[in-house]
Amino acid sequence: EVQLVETGGGLIQPGGSLRLSCAASGFTVSSNYMSWVRQAPGKGLEWVSVIYSGGSTYYADSVKGRFTISRDNSKNTLYLQMNSLRAEDTAVYYCAREERGALDAFDIWGQGTMVTVSS
Amino acid sequence: AIRITQSPSSLSASTGDRVTITCRASQGISSYLAWYQQKPGKAPKLLIYAASTLQSGVPSRFSGSGSGTDFTLTISCLQSEDFATYYCQQYYSYPFTFGQGTRLEIK
Repeated sequence: EVQLVETGGGLIQPGGSLRLSCAASGFTVSSNYMSWVRQAPGKGLEWVSVIYSGGSTYYADSVKGRFTISRDNSKNTLYLQMNSLRAEDTAVYYCAREERGALDAFDIWGQGTMVTVSS
Repeated sequence: AIRITQSPSSLSASTGDRVTITCRASQGISSYLAWYQQKPGKAPKLLIYAASTLQSGVPSRFSGSGSGTDFTLTISCLQSEDFATYYCQQYYSYPFTFGQGTRLEIK
């Protein structure tokens, strides 16, 4: 079965760091364009970052310089390292796959992991 | 970044009704537009990609149209399971952007 499972969310103080993981099954993370998308409580969807199959990365301006997307091919897992966290980073974080490669819709989503930034 | 304006923000309808949701992009995006359905506490689900192509397994009562800057999602003959929030998304260029969402409620 093709699926994504996120872990690593939790309550963190402003300025802190957290690493989210997204374990894939049924397909190979490194062969796909993989993104993180977040959703603040009661709000809409916001794209955060992408890692290309070739390894290049791209970020939303709101997280550039603070977040890092990466992957571990041996574990077939995607990561999001989040540093210098702010209250406005509070959201459910989803990982998602672009189905047919670059510039495509997200056909597979994880269940999401909640990140709460608060003192 | 490409801005996506989605309307209406909310919509009340009855089972069996036909409803239409629209999205307008701030610049031409060809057919690089997707529609998603999201239910409370769940991840979004892809309904339509390439503006009008139905994702495998999605009922045929869902349809999409448009290209360039103006797009529509139509749900014909609403079923109880269709009451949810719908989002459009452009994937013409990064950063990908989403519409604000349309909450479809039971009248």
